[in-house]
Amino acid sequence: KAGVTQTPRYLIKTRGQQVTLSCSPISGHRSVSWYQQTPGQGLQFLFEYFSETQRNKGNFPGRFSGRQFSNSRSEMNVSTLELGDSALYLCASSSRTGATEAFFGQGTRLTVV
Amino acid sequence: QQQVKQSPQSLIVQKGGISIINCAYENTAFDYFPWYQQFPGKGPALLIAIRPDVSEKKEGRFTISFNKSAKQFSLHIMDSQPGDSATYFCAASKNAGNMLTFGGGTRLMVKP
Repeated sequence: KAGVTQTPRYLIKTRGQQVTLSCSPISGHRSVSWYQQTPGQGLQFLFEYFSETQRNKGNFPGRFSGRQFSNSRSEMNVSTLELGDSALYLCASSSRTGATEAFFGQGTRLTVV
Repeated sequence: QQQVKQSPQSLIVQKGGISIINCAYENTAFDYFPWYQQFPGKGPALLIAIRPDVSEKKEGRFTISFNKSAKQFSLHIMDSQPGDSATYFCAASKNAGNMLTFGGGTRLMVKP
């Protein structure tokens, strides 16, 4: 069974640009959550999607948005990039919503210059 | 507001020793407590998880101890091996969604 696939693995963007990251969950999983990992703030929850609906949202500005498609694949978008957005963005896949096992992808390393 | 506090930040253990990592939480609505292991350049991997209706769960060399009244839980790694050297994160979530609140992480080094 294939794991969680995130693309691309690495990205370099310039301040002010926007970026879209992609996540394909484990087959059959319908919940996708996104996290930001930085050395200073650790792992922070961005949002969760289940059956194409946003279920939870973390404490991030509106520049961070996401969506989920009917095949459960998810994308997150960050607009007007800032230097502080440089981070490892992780996607987690779960079979259902509600305090259950979450399996992480390898992440997308975003560097904003 | 950091709702899950993890200690220590770093830990050095000799091969064959016991590694112990502790976490404390504030939100009594949390009802799922997983531990993740992360190697450099990789995403976190689920190690073991516990729900508050049990006080201990063991899987191989990994054991979670849970103290609901103290709002604390800990990970014990028995017979620690150099291959266990990684960063460990505790986390907690409520039943309303898959929003994990993570501890700050513990960097474990197991010396041969």
